Amino acid sequence: DGGITQSPKYLFRKEGQNVTLSCEQNLNHDAMYWYRQDPGQGLRLIYYSQIVNDFQKGDIAEGYSVSREKKESFPLTVTSAQKNPTAFYLCASSIAGGAFDTQYFGPGTRLTVL
Amino acid sequence: KNEVEQSPQNLTAQEGEFITINCSYSVGISALHWLQQHPGGGIVSLFMLSSGKKKHGRLIATINIQEKHSSLHITASHPRDSAVYICAVKGGWDSNYQLIWGAGTKLIIKP
Repeated sequence: DGGITQSPKYLFRKEGQNVTLSCEQNLNHDAMYWYRQDPGQGLRLIYYSQIVNDFQKGDIAEGYSVSREKKESFPLTVTSAQKNPTAFYLCASSIAGGAFDTQYFGPGTRLTVL
Repeated sequence: KNEVEQSPQNLTAQEGEFITINCSYSVGISALHWLQQHPGGGIVSLFMLSSGKKKHGRLIATINIQEKHSSLHITASHPRDSAVYICAVKGGWDSNYQLIWGAGTKLIIKP
């Protein structure tokens, strides 16, 4: 089955630790995205990538880093520089990131920093 | 003021009622999306509109480009329709076609 997987579903970390969230897709999509969702707010774009070995900052990139070494994979690292990392993180992909492309979402990872 | 505003924020209705969720936006767009987020967090795309009206089963989505407004309707609502419904607009080439998200409408359908 084609789709997007994110792991783990729940993640707990101590303050000051870096943590990496996994996102893998087997849809053969070129574009991938990371969003953050906080209660009562719309999704906010952290980073996106439209091609392997290239990525762009979104609206809230500070304290996060990404890599895109393979088409299928777009891991997100939440660094200790992120002031308020507790949130729900969603990964998405689309064919090419164009005007009429639909984004397909993974199940999300809920990160709690203790 | 947010660029994408949804109303109402919360909606509770009885099974069988006709549901309307509204979305207004203030920017130029290439397309508008309606998505559904289930209680577990997963998001699925329902519609993508650039003009007119689309229908899928009991769901109908309309858009008025001149008024910068879209509505999502659910006919014969059912408890399984309970979810958060999100409107997102896609900007033009100058925004790299990125999505601008509404905050969502939480819908609860009671049996």
